Amino acid sequence: DVKVTQSSRYLVKRTGEKVFLECVQDMDHENMFWYRQDPGLGLRLIYFSYDVKMKEKGDIPEGYSVSREKKERFSLILESASTNQTSMYLCASRMTSGPRNTEAFFGQGTRLTVV
Amino acid sequence: AQSVTQPDIHITVSEGASLELRCNYSYGATPYLFWYVQSPGQGLQLLLKYFSGDTLVQGIKGFEAEFKRSQSSFNLRKPSVHWSDAAEYFCAVDLGGGSYIPTFGRGTSLIVHP
Repeated sequence: DVKVTQSSRYLVKRTGEKVFLECVQDMDHENMFWYRQDPGLGLRLIYFSYDVKMKEKGDIPEGYSVSREKKERFSLILESASTNQTSMYLCASRMTSGPRNTEAFFGQGTRLTVV
Repeated sequence: AQSVTQPDIHITVSEGASLELRCNYSYGATPYLFWYVQSPGQGLQLLLKYFSGDTLVQGIKGFEAEFKRSQSSFNLRKPSVHWSDAAEYFCAVDLGGGSYIPTFGRGTSLIVHP
């Protein structure tokens, strides 16, 4: 069964802390994504990676960075957490070969609260 | 740039009633089209997808969607809603792989009354 696993379901961090959100997929997918989900705003893309060590900024990259050293792992880093980064974070992965395989597979999400 | 519009933020239906969730997209070519469902506190799960061929697509949990090229729409339907269908529904478009990025609508929250 296809799996995308996010390391934490719930996190509480203090303002100014450096925060790491980890995502691992076991499907050998090339593409991986980090989205942020807020009520009324849907899913907004923070960063995506189309292959190992490759990354592209999404719509709202400010205050975030990412790392993809291995194909299966895509990390989202909040350099200095702020209260406006309190949100649900969703990781997803996707193959790149052919239309039949283009759906995204999502992790369970990490609910981050910054206090 | 491609965009997806889900005009209904919330929809309320009675259990057993039929359901239609609307989705319109804007793009020069026909993209691949998807519907995802998100139960409370969970990630997104694929309901169905369209990439070519028959414009009526069947999905899981009794859902179907119809692609209408002339209207740039991909509406989701279910003939009889169950209380367990209460969730957030997202329409998405994608050009498929590589450096293309899936774009999601803002979601429609489905409320089911007993």
